[in-house]
Amino acid sequence: SSELTQDPAVSVALGQTVRITCQGDSLRSYYASWYQQKPGQAPVLVIYGKNNRPSGIPDRFSGSSSGNTASLTITGAQAEDEADYYCNSRDSSGNLVVFGGGTKLTVL
Amino acid sequence: QVQLQESGPGLVKPSQTLSLTCTVSGGSISSGSYYWSWIRQPAGKGLEWIGRIYTSGSTNYNPSLKSRVTISVDTSKNQFSLKLSSVTAADTAVYYCARDREYSSSSVGMDVWGQGTTVTVSS
Repeated sequence: SSELTQDPAVSVALGQTVRITCQGDSLRSYYASWYQQKPGQAPVLVIYGKNNRPSGIPDRFSGSSSGNTASLTITGAQAEDEADYYCNSRDSSGNLVVFGGGTKLTVL
Repeated sequence: QVQLQESGPGLVKPSQTLSLTCTVSGGSISSGSYYWSWIRQPAGKGLEWIGRIYTSGSTNYNPSLKSRVTISVDTSKNQFSLKLSSVTAADTAVYYCARDREYSSSSVGMDVWGQGTTVTVSS
């Protein structure tokens, strides 16, 4: 079982703001990274660290963290943001890697 | 621009060993402080981390798979490999390799991924 918990599905109206959350004890010590995965494609890193975006990731994607919860926020969601989103971090020991179960984002 | 490419058999018989290789291009597998990870994804399901290897050769494995997994690196070929023994139908999945980067002591992320390769376990 995953040590990181995500809501299975979230929806957002086009142009609105949506927050996707990830909970886990290890997030009190480690930042989550976030991945976007579209059907038939490999995951793409969209957020890492406190709130860092790799080159090429739109600035409507942002990250935050509080206690045992990490959040990915999309401000002004676009149709192309419809995808599965996964969080990822270390486990509580710090030696292993864990993924959340994923959140399916629907843009209405 | 570092790129990763998985290769290996797409069909493996039950009880046999699944073997995949990830070839790194556009950079040396030995340069920088990176882990090199394997991740899999059964059809319609989420991502599962299998394990990783550091450039020094040290490894970490998912405890649920540890008894069956071996990850190795061949720096001369700029490749790292996955072996998963005693496979069953439950091991059928898309297998990805990825570069696992430690941005700081509290921040990690897989910033480069292969396109993935489908492995089916069936007789």
